[in-house]
Amino acid sequence: QVQVVESGGGVAQPGWTLRLSCAASGFTFGSYGMFWVRQAPGKGLEWVTFISHDGNNKYYEDSVKGRFTVSRDNSKNTLDMQMTSLRSGDTAVYYCGRQKEDAIDVWGRGTKVIVSS
Amino acid sequence: QSVLTQPPSVSAAPGQRVTISCTGSSSNIGAGYDVHWYQQVPGTAPKLLIYNNINRPSGVPDRFSGSKSGTSASLAITGLQAEDEADYYCQSYDRSLRAYVFGTGTTVTVL
Repeated sequence: QVQVVESGGGVAQPGWTLRLSCAASGFTFGSYGMFWVRQAPGKGLEWVTFISHDGNNKYYEDSVKGRFTVSRDNSKNTLDMQMTSLRSGDTAVYYCGRQKEDAIDVWGRGTKVIVSS
Repeated sequence: QSVLTQPPSVSAAPGQRVTISCTGSSSNIGAGYDVHWYQQVPGTAPKLLIYNNINRPSGVPDRFSGSKSGTSASLAITGLQAEDEADYYCQSYDRSLRAYVFGTGTTVTVL
């Protein structure tokens, strides 16, 4: 079935680097743009980044620009996000999702990132 | 601070109708960008309910409907059921921010 599965979350100290991954299956991954969306504890949804189907276009939310880098490998059906210079404000559950128009029609279960000293 | 404003909570008895508003501005909804709606049961991932203002993905009951007018959009739930208790979020694009934006979220309670 169509699904995406996130991994790579964990506990990091401020300033550390984490790399999240998203494995896609059940659909032609290279035909779809992909999102990362996060949700801080007890808070709402926040868009983080978008990458086009071919990886040529990447967009970032202002607070992560210059710190987070999104990439994809269409031959391996994987989406990655390198998160550097982590801050306490990056603590959240991170979801990857598949683009449908400008919406997200397939969501993973999320991976939790905790940034704390 | 989200640029799309929703009421924090709405409630109604089973079988009743509720509507959730999503108020934006001329740089997002009013600029013609589509609005999408998600349902999130606490502790689980969001689920797409409505895309491109009015369209339901397959499997979403027709009790859920969306509309858009001017700088606002709305989600209506008719025949409210206990399983509809969840948080609901609208989402669009903002051309000034050059960012995808989510609404502040609304908790629906079935009395």
